[in-house]
Amino acid sequence: DVVMTQTPVSLSVSLGGQTSISCRSSQSLVHSDGNTYLYWYLQKPGQSPQLLIYKVSNRFSGVPDRFSGSGSGTDFTLKISRVEPEDLGVYYCYQGTHYPYTFGAGTKLELK
Amino acid sequence: EVQLVESGGGLVQPGRSMKLSCAASGFTFNNYDMAWVCQAPKKGLEWVATISYDGSSTYYRDSVKGRFTISRDNAKSTLYLQMDSLRSEDTATYYCARQRGITTWYFDFWGPGTMVTVSS
Repeated sequence: DVVMTQTPVSLSVSLGGQTSISCRSSQSLVHSDGNTYLYWYLQKPGQSPQLLIYKVSNRFSGVPDRFSGSGSGTDFTLKISRVEPEDLGVYYCYQGTHYPYTFGAGTKLELK
Repeated sequence: EVQLVESGGGLVQPGRSMKLSCAASGFTFNNYDMAWVCQAPKKGLEWVATISYDGSSTYYRDSVKGRFTISRDNAKSTLYLQMDSLRSEDTATYYCARQRGITTWYFDFWGPGTMVTVSS
């Protein structure tokens, strides 16, 4: 199975600040159809995960432009600008290229 | 508004069975593949099983093959997960999720989850 490694495990940020989360895959996530199926989810405390980013850099419906995704091959980054209280929680990357599809272990974003 | 609501979780002894349900609303249920994703306490997320929009195809992670059965009733807009021969390592919150994609799978809406605890 493809292993998704997220760093750091946890992160402290000030409100209004900027931060980034890294996700590295054990194999290239470029699919034979040419697409790269890397996604980002946020799980707020006590809630189910919500989709933020699909196919590396596309924001899901309703996701503010403070969130941006980038990367290619095996290295990906989620950047969060102007952090707001509702951004706190655990962020997961997820790969949909190689079956069985797998999640990273998560990065917890907390207030400094 | 898409809504998914799971039910049926609780405490069950090892080796016994449990059936989870997920009631869907706010979208045309029989147009979408559906999935179960689990999260063990204080752990990450793991895909468990997927069923195609018409129920003709099912897929399972290796650790549940032969023990879990995913099914759906499109007339009732309901997804199910029959869990047999339960083990302590099956203890987790189980989320019902709407699945998207053809050459890929991802989950765009999730229910709030139902907790399953396997313990004697």
